[in-house]
Amino acid sequence: GNSVTQMEGPVTLSEEAFLTINCTYTATGYPSLFWYVQYPGEGLQLLLKATKADDKGSNKGFEATYRKETTSFHLEKGSVQVSDSAVYFCAAPGGYNKLIFGAGTRLAVHP
Amino acid sequence: DAGVIQSPRHEVTEMGQEVTLRCKPISGHDYLFWYRQTMMRGLELLIYFNNNVPIDDSGMPEDRFSAKMPNASFSTLKIQPSEPRDSAVYFCASSFGGSTEAFFGQGTRLTVV
Repeated sequence: GNSVTQMEGPVTLSEEAFLTINCTYTATGYPSLFWYVQYPGEGLQLLLKATKADDKGSNKGFEATYRKETTSFHLEKGSVQVSDSAVYFCAAPGGYNKLIFGAGTRLAVHP
Repeated sequence: DAGVIQSPRHEVTEMGQEVTLRCKPISGHDYLFWYRQTMMRGLELLIYFNNNVPIDDSGMPEDRFSAKMPNASFSTLKIQPSEPRDSAVYFCASSFGGSTEAFFGQGTRLTVV
């Protein structure tokens, strides 16, 4: 079945630093891929998605490119802010409309 | 749309008591998911429904856990009897068939003492 592997955290950065969180997947075909974000005390919310290979999803300064050659969907942001501190989850379809989530990567951004 | 609504937001109960968590999915969504999140095990899918019918309950940890969806706008997750190891944040999510994008509720933080 499909699976998602995500880099372990925590990731600690200073404000305005560059962020990369790695995500690789195994899947049949070329499914949609997602990044979700969970702010403290809240539920998961969709950050961005890509619906087909070579697509780039973007939102709030974050970007991720669906690379079929490397089966990757790494999350990047050029300049992080303290308000970006959260847990980030990579996700891929797991059949029957359900999503498979990575383990989550905690990001802490310091001023 | 108000999004997925869960209640209560916080629940503290004593070991052995029955606990019922509630969820109202987004109107028009035909899939509903129950997840559990803990520091040790991360995010676990417990059970999910399609058109109010349970599709896969293989993630339900024990017979103490049960879930129902009597209609398209309401679902419950019940734990009876509760144990301290059930302490976690429980999330409900819903989605529309044809799209795997899931919408999550704010979660219920359960503490069993």
